[in-house]
Amino acid sequence: QKEVEQNSGPLSVPEGAIASLNCTYSDRGSQSFFWYRQYSGKSPELIMFIYSNGDKEDGRFTAQLNKASQYVSLLIRDSQPSDSATYLCAVSPYSSASKIIFGSGTRLSIRP
Amino acid sequence: DTEVTQTPKHLVMGMTNKKSLKCEQHMGHRAMYWYKQKAKKPPELMFVYSYEKLSINESVPSRFSPECPNSSLLNLHLHALQPEDSALYLCASSPLPGQTNSPLHFGNGTRLTVT
Repeated sequence: QKEVEQNSGPLSVPEGAIASLNCTYSDRGSQSFFWYRQYSGKSPELIMFIYSNGDKEDGRFTAQLNKASQYVSLLIRDSQPSDSATYLCAVSPYSSASKIIFGSGTRLSIRP
Repeated sequence: DTEVTQTPKHLVMGMTNKKSLKCEQHMGHRAMYWYKQKAKKPPELMFVYSYEKLSINESVPSRFSPECPNSSLLNLHLHALQPEDSALYLCASSPLPGQTNSPLHFGNGTRLTVT
């Protein structure tokens, strides 16, 4: 089982709709969870991070964490064409909190 | 613009060359990282420095040699690389090693091609 798993996509969402990205992780003791956006040929850019169960909102983005289910998600409201990118879920495992392990990423395409 | 600066942006080197990648941050972060990213793959952790000491080496071949001269600088020395080492090399920093609210901040990366 991979440490961090994401559906590779592509996920196609119409402009203005809600995009929902999902991620599961294997280390039950993981403490910190991150979402990064990466445009083709560019470096990853932090969108937000979460470490408590529940929801965390920042503008059009909402991260949701459920530690019991070992599941973290990212919702993007009012999706824009500029949101088209690869979204990387990253987790800091309990076994080594200094490590941050990335999932394989979900490619999101917003169609006008 | 990123607050983590990497140089050079592009590097082409032969298999017998020695070169270095450089990374600098002035955010006062105490952890610095090297990641390697191949096309259409996620970043893969290579090394972590915590408080200027090497804390994690992910079994990286010895042809890659990291160095952290001070809390703001991180180098990656390259020697006798193979063509399969061609990739985007990403430097990152985080405020405090191993803390729950300490995300990675990436530089723009160095695109390395080994011929």
